[in-house]
Amino acid sequence: NAGVMQNPRHLVRRRGQEARLRCSPMKGHSHVYWYRQLPEEGLKFMVYLQKENIIDESGMPKERFSAEFPKEGPSILRIQQVVRGDSAAYFCASSPPRGTSNYGYTFGSGTRLTVV
Amino acid sequence: SQQGEEDPQALSIQEGENATMNCSYKTSINNLQWYRQNSGRGLVHLILIRSNEREKHSGRLRVTLDTSKKSSSLLITASRAADTASYFCATDDTGGFKTIFGAGTRLFVKA
Repeated sequence: NAGVMQNPRHLVRRRGQEARLRCSPMKGHSHVYWYRQLPEEGLKFMVYLQKENIIDESGMPKERFSAEFPKEGPSILRIQQVVRGDSAAYFCASSPPRGTSNYGYTFGSGTRLTVV
Repeated sequence: SQQGEEDPQALSIQEGENATMNCSYKTSINNLQWYRQNSGRGLVHLILIRSNEREKHSGRLRVTLDTSKKSSSLLITASRAADTASYFCATDDTGGFKTIFGAGTRLFVKA
């Protein structure tokens, strides 16, 4: 019973390249969340998705960032034309429908993006 | 905007002592959660307390919630070196769809 799987664990991109981060939710979970964490800081909400729907993207930067959760396959967080300020750890979490669980989110191990 | 704010930012104690971390939040909530993060790893869910609950226990963990003061505390009893980690509170507010995290308390337990 695998938990939330994120890949890659580490990603290095040059400025201007695209970064694609993948997240497969825990089996039975239909809700996916992406968070960004800078060193020594808390997690900043980015986006909340269900299959084929973006529910809340209020934490996503207006430009260069997009997210999807297709009917089949993992959720993808895409960052176009990366800049040094995008360097961070990006965490994905999944959950069953909100309000139905006493167990909060299940987090993946994160993708550490370094922009050089 | 930040919802949960943890206090203290960092805490250093000896093994065997109790560790208390506090969290304050701003809006009405459905529930409050505590998570733990070891350095360089993902977060692990510790405990969830609903807005109509006042106290909850799980092993060496005790969480309290005071909705009138919009605050929560996490108590770790008889701490161990392995408890060294960052601890975050997170809230599900009544008006939104997302869980908001605080900046965390960094706990150091010295052997």
